[in-house]
Amino acid sequence: GQQVMQIPQYQHVQEGEDFTTYCNSSTTLSNIQWYKQRPGGHPVFLIQLVKSGEVKKQKRLTFQFGEAKKNSSLHITATQTTDVGTYFCAGLGPRGTNAGKSTFGDGTTLTVKP
Amino acid sequence: GAVVSQHPSWVICKSGTSVKIECRSLDFQATTMFWYRQFPKQSLMLMATSNEGSKATYEQGVEKDKFLINHASLTLSTLTVTSAHPEDSSFYICSPGTSNYGYTFGSGTRLTVV
Repeated sequence: GQQVMQIPQYQHVQEGEDFTTYCNSSTTLSNIQWYKQRPGGHPVFLIQLVKSGEVKKQKRLTFQFGEAKKNSSLHITATQTTDVGTYFCAGLGPRGTNAGKSTFGDGTTLTVKP
Repeated sequence: GAVVSQHPSWVICKSGTSVKIECRSLDFQATTMFWYRQFPKQSLMLMATSNEGSKATYEQGVEKDKFLINHASLTLSTLTVTSAHPEDSSFYICSPGTSNYGYTFGSGTRLTVV
C-alpha cells in the first residue's frame, strides 16, 4: 500500500533559525496536504499542492511539490516560538485509488528555543 | 465554511463500558467521514470511513464490531467504542477529508479508559 515517510521526526531550533521537513511517498500522488498540530490540539490544514513542481508561500512558510509528485517539503524561514507544533504531510493517491483516503506521514515535531 | 463539530472533547470511562463520539457537519453535507485515531506522539491512523446511508468501510486490523460507525444523515456521523479497554485510550478525530471543504478536522475526542 501507499506509504508516506517524513523526516526528521524531531527538530529543535533556536528562534530565528530556519526549519525544513521533508515528505516522500512510495507512489505518485494526486496531491499532498500539509497540516500543523499544536500540542493537545487537532490538525489544522495549511495548504494543498496539486501540480508537479508547484511552490506556494504563506508568509514565512514555503511549500514545494516535487516534479515527480512523490516528494514535498515545508520550509519555515526565521522560526518563531509560535511555530512550535507537529507538522504532518498527507498524500492523496491518484484518482480512483485508495477511495479518496490520504495517507499521513509520521510528522515532524518542531520546538523553538527563545 | 466547512465546520465540523465533534463531541465530546474528552471523556473518561470505566473499562467495559461504551462511548459514543459524534461529528456533525454544521454548514455542509458530508456524504463521507473519515475517522482517525492518534496515539501520543504518533501520526494519524485511519480507522474507518463512514458513508451516509451505507455500511462503513474499515481499515485492515480495525475491529468493526468494536468500533461501531453510523452515518445516518448527511450532517451526523458517530463512532461508538464498545466495551472499551485501557488500550483504546487515544485521541479520536473525524474529518470529511475532501478538498471541497478544505480538509477540515473535528476538534478531536480524548478518550481515557480506566
